Amino acid sequence: DAGVIQSPRHEVTEMGQEVTLRCKPISGHNSLFWYRQTMMRGLELLIYFNNNVPIDDSGMPEDRFSAKMPNASFSTLKIQPSEPRDSAVYFCASSLRGIGTEAFFGQGTRLTVV
Amino acid sequence: DAKTTQPTSMDCAEGRAANLPCNHSTISGNEYVYWYRQIHSQGPQYIIHGLKNNETNEMASLIITEDRKSSTLILPHATLRDTAVYYCIVRVQGAQKLVFGQGTRLTINP
Repeated sequence: DAGVIQSPRHEVTEMGQEVTLRCKPISGHNSLFWYRQTMMRGLELLIYFNNNVPIDDSGMPEDRFSAKMPNASFSTLKIQPSEPRDSAVYFCASSLRGIGTEAFFGQGTRLTVV
Repeated sequence: DAKTTQPTSMDCAEGRAANLPCNHSTISGNEYVYWYRQIHSQGPQYIIHGLKNNETNEMASLIITEDRKSSTLILPHATLRDTAVYYCIVRVQGAQKLVFGQGTRLTINP
């Protein structure tokens, strides 16, 4: 398995633009997590899904952020409109729920909003 | 989930054992201790986890004190590639949320 795949790896966008980050979890995994990492705040859990259903989105910073998981093999994190303070590395992770709790992380998307 | 306390940074010589401490004095009986690490510019990587018994795998050993209020991750023969930020996390088994603290920045020196 290729592991968790995120795209794009790097994204530079202008303030006010819509940004969509994509994630393909490991096949067979039924839990998916979105994290954000900055120097100031470290790794923050934004939202996670079980069996494609959002379970906890308390970490989503505000209404500009939204996440979807239309099927077991794909998830998106959208920021609209983007702001410079959204600049960060965004990680997606997946795991098997109920069978061990090891989470596998993708390589991340480095987002820069100018 | 219980709060953990780790030193901000540590150094270790290549080839020596690296011992990373973690305090979790408010841990509950059903909370596990997990360790992840993050090598620069990569996503976090799972290392090991345990409840109360010591655990060992191909990457590391985890020593948990009898009162479970602290633990130590041991990398038996550290290499330069072990330079990373190491996170100690406690969470209830089966709970989905992994909450990361600031971790310990471990530097392996040649």
